Amino acid sequence: EAQVTQNPRYLITVTGKKLTVTCSQNMNHEYMSWYRQDPGLGLRQIYYSMNVEVTDKGDVPEGYKVSRKEKRNFPLILESPSPNQTSLYFCASSLAGSSYEQYFGPGTRLTVT
Amino acid sequence: AQKITQTQPGMFVQEKEAVTLDCTYDTSDPSYGLFWYKQPSSGEMIFLIYQGSYDQQNATEGRYSLNFQKARKSANLVISASQLGDSAMYFCAMREKGYNTDKLIFGTGTRLQVFP
Repeated sequence: EAQVTQNPRYLITVTGKKLTVTCSQNMNHEYMSWYRQDPGLGLRQIYYSMNVEVTDKGDVPEGYKVSRKEKRNFPLILESPSPNQTSLYFCASSLAGSSYEQYFGPGTRLTVT
Repeated sequence: AQKITQTQPGMFVQEKEAVTLDCTYDTSDPSYGLFWYKQPSSGEMIFLIYQGSYDQQNATEGRYSLNFQKARKSANLVISASQLGDSAMYFCAMREKGYNTDKLIFGTGTRLQVFP
């Protein structure tokens, strides 16, 4: 089954404790991206990757890191989480190009206390 | 800069009626894609429909159609014959692919409630 998986689905952590949210896709997509969703703000792009070893900032990259060492994986790293990073996070993948829809993972709900 | 505007925070529609969800966008790029996604209360993001900037005809997918007015920069979603299961958040999004960039920008969403 073609899918994007994220882990963990739920996470409660404390300020400053480094964490990684994993994302994996099995569709051989070049493009992968991370979004955060906050009430009233829709989804905002954090980082994206157009291919292996190619990453770029989205609209809200501060406080996040990513890496793309393999085509299928695109982990999101929070080196020192803060309460304002409490959010619902989505990973997505697609073929490259403006005509292709993105396939979303199930989401990770992160709470930073 | 890219921008997507959804001016309707919430909409109500009676079952079996049609409803239009508004979306306007702003871009200087001649090539872009417009998308609508549905997010039910369970949280997943479901792709509904796509319209390319060069497409001459409005996109349709079953009960969903996209009313694309390029000169007005609007891409409204029309849902015909609403069903109770259509109750959800709906997001309009625009994707632009440049030489070194490929971004997807979302609007703030419209919450649709379908009542019997």
